[in-house]
Amino acid sequence: EDKVVQSPLSLVVHEGDTVTLNCSYEVTNFRSLLWYKQEKKAPTFLFMLTSSGIEKKSGRLSSILDKKELFSILNITATQTGDSAIYLCAVEVSGANNLFFGTGTRLTVIP
Amino acid sequence: NAGVTQTPKFRILKIGQSMTLQCAQDMNHNYMYWYRQDPGMGLKLIYYSVGAGITDKGEVPNGYNVSRSTTEDFPLRLELAAPSQTSVYFCASSFPRSGSEKLFFGSGTQLSVL
Repeated sequence: EDKVVQSPLSLVVHEGDTVTLNCSYEVTNFRSLLWYKQEKKAPTFLFMLTSSGIEKKSGRLSSILDKKELFSILNITATQTGDSAIYLCAVEVSGANNLFFGTGTRLTVIP
Repeated sequence: NAGVTQTPKFRILKIGQSMTLQCAQDMNHNYMYWYRQDPGMGLKLIYYSVGAGITDKGEVPNGYNVSRSTTEDFPLRLELAAPSQTSVYFCASSFPRSGSEKLFFGSGTQLSVL
């Protein structure tokens, strides 16, 4: 059975801290891994990763994929209160019209 | 710049009632999806469609039905509402499969069945 596991489930940090969110997966026919940020309602796209070792970066956020060890990390540096959200990891499988989502990591950044 | 539009935003149903959640997208996306998100859980796929007239079941289709008569619209029907269907429902759409799978989500419908 295809599975996506995120850790930690929740995290509370102070502004300025750096955080690392983890996503591990067990799927057949892996195609890509995606990260989404969910603030109040709809998830919004952050990154899509398909190749190992290539870092994707957007401002203070970055992500990398390890296809050998079957995991990805999402890093956020110099966190701000606006980074408070649920971060969702999802895996796309070849031949399936679906994304398998993890349960998410709830990040809270306090001033 | 509408994107994916869902209605209603909130709804309370009594057990056994039926309703239709509406979803429309104006991006000419072929692929559309319905997900549900239970508290503290990830999104689970209910149904999806790869084009007008074509629908298929996802992970958790029981208790739901869909139709796709046009490219733009993808309504989700609950026939006999049950408390287990209390959830937040998200509609999403995406570009045709070209190796770049990015979902565009609607703002969600919070449904309570009492």
